[in-house]
Amino acid sequence: EAGVTQFPSHSVIEKGQTVTLRCDPISGHDNLYWYRRVMGKEIKFLLHFVKESKQDESGMPNNRFLAERTGGTYSTLKVQPAELEDSGVYFCASSQVSGRRLKDEQFFGPGTRLTVL
Amino acid sequence: AQRVTQPEKLLSVFKGAPVELKCNYSYSGSPELFWYVQYSRQRLQLLLRHISRESIKGFTADLNKGETSFHLKKPFAQEEDSAMYYCAPPNAGNNRKLIWGLGTSLAVNP
Repeated sequence: EAGVTQFPSHSVIEKGQTVTLRCDPISGHDNLYWYRRVMGKEIKFLLHFVKESKQDESGMPNNRFLAERTGGTYSTLKVQPAELEDSGVYFCASSQVSGRRLKDEQFFGPGTRLTVL
Repeated sequence: AQRVTQPEKLLSVFKGAPVELKCNYSYSGSPELFWYVQYSRQRLQLLLRHISRESIKGFTADLNKGETSFHLKKPFAQEEDSAMYYCAPPNAGNNRKLIWGLGTSLAVNP
């Protein structure tokens, strides 16, 4: 089992361009989370999917960010157009069950480091 | 709103010394608290959660409701403990999103 995978590992783009990040959760995990760490700040929650449905997108910074999880499998996070402040490391995590203690451990991907110039 | 404070950005100790990484929280309802760790070039992983009351890699953490703290402790630090440690409780709702502290970078020197 490869665990949670993310692609690409690094992305360097110019301001105004579009970037799409991908996350493949562990097979069978219904819950998928996106988080972001901006340099010098806390890791912040972005959004949460249960299967293909967005359960909570309260952490999405603005409407330049669009997340999808078609078919309830992998997820994409698109930033369009990218701004300088979008630079950071984007983490994806998946868990089998939410709302049930001891069965909700989130397993993290390696992250995608996004640099916007 | 839930909030987590890790007051130390960097903690440096010598091998064999005791180590304590501090975490204070503000939380409505009955708190749950996790510690996550990220070793160099590895991904974030759950280290321990207070509800399990277990010791992982020699680390323990006790929830102190009076002091609203969940400090991570180890009596004898090892070089392989050098890593970034995050106190990250799940939110009180059902979606279990994690609320993160800034993290503490632990350096264990030989």
